[in-house]
Order: sequence, then C-alpha cells, then structure tokens
Amino acid sequence: AQSVSQHNHHVILSEAASLELGCNYSYGGTVNLFWYVQYPGQHLQLLLKYFSGDPLVKGIKGFEAEFIKSKFSFNLRKPSVQWSDTAEYFCAVGLSHTGKLIFGQGTTLQVKP
Amino acid sequence: SQTIHQWPATLVQPVGSPLSLECTVEGTSNPNLYWYRQAAGRGLQLLFYSVGIGQISSEVPQNLSASRPQDRQFILSSKKLLLSDSGFYLCAWSVSGKIYEQYFGPGTRLTVT
Repeated sequence: AQSVSQHNHHVILSEAASLELGCNYSYGGTVNLFWYVQYPGQHLQLLLKYFSGDPLVKGIKGFEAEFIKSKFSFNLRKPSVQWSDTAEYFCAVGLSHTGKLIFGQGTTLQVKP
Repeated sequence: SQTIHQWPATLVQPVGSPLSLECTVEGTSNPNLYWYRQAAGRGLQLLFYSVGIGQISSEVPQNLSASRPQDRQFILSSKKLLLSDSGFYLCAWSVSGKIYEQYFGPGTRLTVT
C-alpha cells in the first residue's frame, strides 16, 4: 500500500538554525507532492507544492523543498528558522491514479527564541 | 473569499450515542469535500470524500458514515459511537480541478467516554 513517512516526529531548534524535515513516500507512479503546515490555533494550510518541472520548489515564509525522484523523497528546508515557524508540518503525496492525498504522520517543530 | 466552517469545535459523547458533525463551505460551488481523522502521531487519515451531492466514497470501513445533502454541506455521522471513534476530525474542500490543493476547516475534537 502507498505510504508517506516523515522521519522526525519532534524537532527542537534554536532561532536561526537551519531546518530539514525528511519525507519519503512509497509509490512508483506519478506523484504530486505537498507540505502542509498547522500553526498553533490555526487551520491546516498549504505550505508548498510540486507538480512537475524544477524539482526545487519554493513556498511561503522562506521554505523550500526538493523532490528527488530516485530517492522517493521530498524534504522540506529552511536556512534560518524563526520562533514563528513553530508548528506541525505534514508531508502529503497526491496519487495520480486515485486523486487522493496520503499524509505523513507529521513533524512537530518547536523553535526556541 | 472561500471559508469553511465546522461545528461543534469540541464534543464529548458517551459510548453508544449517535454523532453528527457538520461542515459547510462558503464562497465556492461544487467543491470536492473530504472528511479526515487526525490521530496523534499518525497523520491524517482520509475517511470519506464527495465530488457532488449524494456522491460519497468511503475510504476505510468503520463505524462512521457521511452524507452530502447540499452542494456545500458535508455531514459525518454515526449511529452508535465506539471508544475508538475518539479523535480530531477535519473537513476539507478543494476545487474540482485542483483536488490536491485542499483547504481545511478548524476541526472537531471528539471524545467518546
């Protein structure tokens, strides 16, 4: 069965540290890739997306993600985190043959001021 | 602009009691609608989705059912709640041509006692 795996469940960083959250998926077909974020007290919202083209995609608030097809990965990065980046981050894969999103288990990021 | 509402925000129900959670979307027509359950450390699990009035697809066999009586209304129900139904329930919508870009509601925290 298709699945999405996020390696880190809870990450704690200091402000200005660099961030990389891992995401791997198991599906051999065409995929569309997403990162969603849920800030404390807010709705889950789309952070960035990849459909095709340049495998390095940029999202809001300085986030970026790189699609590496050979590794079935779509890792999220940010060069310098801020306290306001404290949130839960979800990787998701859209399966072309089903039209559905499969979510990872989420990573809680805590940024210390 | 589009908005999505869910109610109630929190609910405590005894085992064996019925359930009705409601989701409505404003500002768009003929959206795709989704019900997810979010369990701690397990990400989001798609329960039901709907591409139109009266059209419901179930993803996981369970104690729950969904209905779409109106274009922008999606209801999650149960005749008899189980302890295992406790969780955080999220409703989402998408434009029919952009099924992966989903917009989430605030969620309902359900505790079955």
